[in-house]
Amino acid sequence: DAKTTQPPSMDCAEGRAANLPCNHSTISGNEYVYWYRQIHSQGPQYIIHGLKNNETNEMASLIITEDRKSSTLILPHATLRDTAVYYCIVRVERGGADGLTFGKGTHLIIQP
Amino acid sequence: EAQVTQNPRYLITVTGKKLTVTCSQNMNHEYMSWYRQDPGLGLRQIYYSMNVEVTDKGDVPEGYKVSRKEKRNFPLILESPSPNQTSLYFCASSPFGGRGYGYTFGSGTRLTVV
Repeated sequence: DAKTTQPPSMDCAEGRAANLPCNHSTISGNEYVYWYRQIHSQGPQYIIHGLKNNETNEMASLIITEDRKSSTLILPHATLRDTAVYYCIVRVERGGADGLTFGKGTHLIIQP
Repeated sequence: EAQVTQNPRYLITVTGKKLTVTCSQNMNHEYMSWYRQDPGLGLRQIYYSMNVEVTDKGDVPEGYKVSRKEKRNFPLILESPSPNQTSLYFCASSPFGGRGYGYTFGSGTRLTVV
């Protein structure tokens, strides 16, 4: 699976949009981009995933660049409860046999 | 509510005393797996199961056993726990072997082996 690079930490003001970047320059054509988050020692929570088109759900939006070498997770109106470590994961859908590879992620801190 | 339930949440045990951590999901998911999380090492997969009676090793299977006799349950068994198995454990499940879907994780089991 392609390696990802994320900033170790970011701050965002409550109520503003939080934009979390992820670089995955070695991504291959059949690899998806997944985002998870983990709120202090809780189980990781799936947020969103995509292949090439931008995606939006009730939690967030995922913007993938045209060359697919990077992506941005957008939390449109961040709240204090969005403080968490956010993981960007790139993987092929091989039927789930391969486990998720979590890197160090980005520690997002929402400031009041 | 759709969820993955792990028990217990916290466990302190002694070296060599067999223990089982239970995991149950109510979403009829085929795929289930176990992870451990350690500081500086992130989450690592221990074992996974693609369906009933189908299990396989993940990245760090040594010292662990699993079974999948029913679709909803996937217990993690430590036959002879050692201190290096002190960790935070998560169970996860996903439909259709994880194809195109996210994983649902349990709340975790913090295990301490003394």
